[in-house]
Parts: sequence; structure tokens; C-alpha cells
Amino acid sequence: KNEVEQSPQNLTAQEGEFITINCSYSVGISALHWLQQHPGGGIVSLFMLSSGKKKHGRLIATINIQEKHSSLHITASHPRDSAVYICAVRRDSNYQLIWGAGTKLIIKP
Amino acid sequence: KAGVTQTPRYLIKTRGQQVTLSCSPISGHRSVSWYQQTPGQGLQFLFEYFSETQRNKGNFPGRFSGRQFSNSRSEMNVSTLELGDSALYLCASSLQALSYEQYFGPGTRLTVT
Repeated sequence: KNEVEQSPQNLTAQEGEFITINCSYSVGISALHWLQQHPGGGIVSLFMLSSGKKKHGRLIATINIQEKHSSLHITASHPRDSAVYICAVRRDSNYQLIWGAGTKLIIKP
Repeated sequence: KAGVTQTPRYLIKTRGQQVTLSCSPISGHRSVSWYQQTPGQGLQFLFEYFSETQRNKGNFPGRFSGRQFSNSRSEMNVSTLELGDSALYLCASSLQALSYEQYFGPGTRLTVT
């Protein structure tokens, strides 16, 4: 079993829909990251969380440390949000980043 | 401030050759990490350097090596290339070792034929 699991693997939605991407992990962590990768490879860090909730524009990230689970929400989704969203956790034992497989999101106009 | 730069952006090599990739971090950043991204495996951690020292290493064979210079620029070397080494190699810099905020470069796409 992978140490970081994301769901769904693929998600297609209509513009304006509320999007939720989930990340579960099985190791002790010091932080969890959400990143966005557009076609062509560029990766942008969206959030770093160690507890609670963070919001940036239409993006909201939450983490439940006890349940080892995080969610990334996108409100009022737009075609420009189409990208791969990746969850990564920093293992607290050796500080290595462990990456989820990513969720490919397509927002149709 | 200029972002993370990687050179070259694209590279084609043949099996058995070796390759060196370069990464220049954001000015002032002292930590550089390298990742390999393949369609089947996703992103995998290669190694992390801070102040010219390798601080962390992923599960890759010894053909993969790296180093960091006193100006924090880093190079990654892959010797005896195999077809399976074809991937996007990403470099990320951060202010300090084990720092949480990483900034990614555009990547070098390596194709091994």
C-alpha cells in the first residue's frame, strides 16, 4: 500500500462546480503540501499545512492530523483550474517528501 | 527575484551514455532537491543538498549522483543511461535545509533512446 493515497485519480467537472480532492497518508508527518502541475511540467506549491485549514482565493485546504487525511477544495471551478493536483507529505522520521500519484482535474466550460 | 532555472530543458541521449543536469536555485536559497517524474511512477525523490552536503537520498541506484557547489547551484549526473531513465527531472529550491516551502524549476525532459 502506498504511503500517500489520493482520490480520485481523475476528475472531470463542469465550470462552476465545487471540487474536492482527497489525500490520505499512513506515516507520521511534519507537514503536508498541495501542489499544482500544469501540462508542460511546471509545478507550483499551493499550500503547506501542519494543522487546520488554509484558504487562498478559491482554493481551500484542510487537514485532520488524527485521521491522517487532507482535502483540497476548489470553489467556482474554472477551466484554467485544469491541472494535476499533487499531495505530498514530509515524513517526520527522515524529513523526506513522499508524493501522491496526483489527481488529474479537467474543468469543462 | 529570478525563479529556479534548469538547464538544459530538453535532452536526448542514447543508452550507455551519461548526462549532467544543472539547477540554479533562487538567490539566497541554500537547499536543492531533485525529483524524477515518470508517467507510471509519478514524482520520486532523488536527493536533497544543503550547503554542499547531501542531506537526504531516495531509493535510486548509484548511477544517479549529485553535488552542490558553494554558490548553491546543483548538478545531477546519471551514468550508463537506461531507457527507463527517460523522465522529467525536476529541481526545487528552498531557503533552508528541511524547509517546507519548495519552489520548483521547469524541469529537464530527458529522453534516452
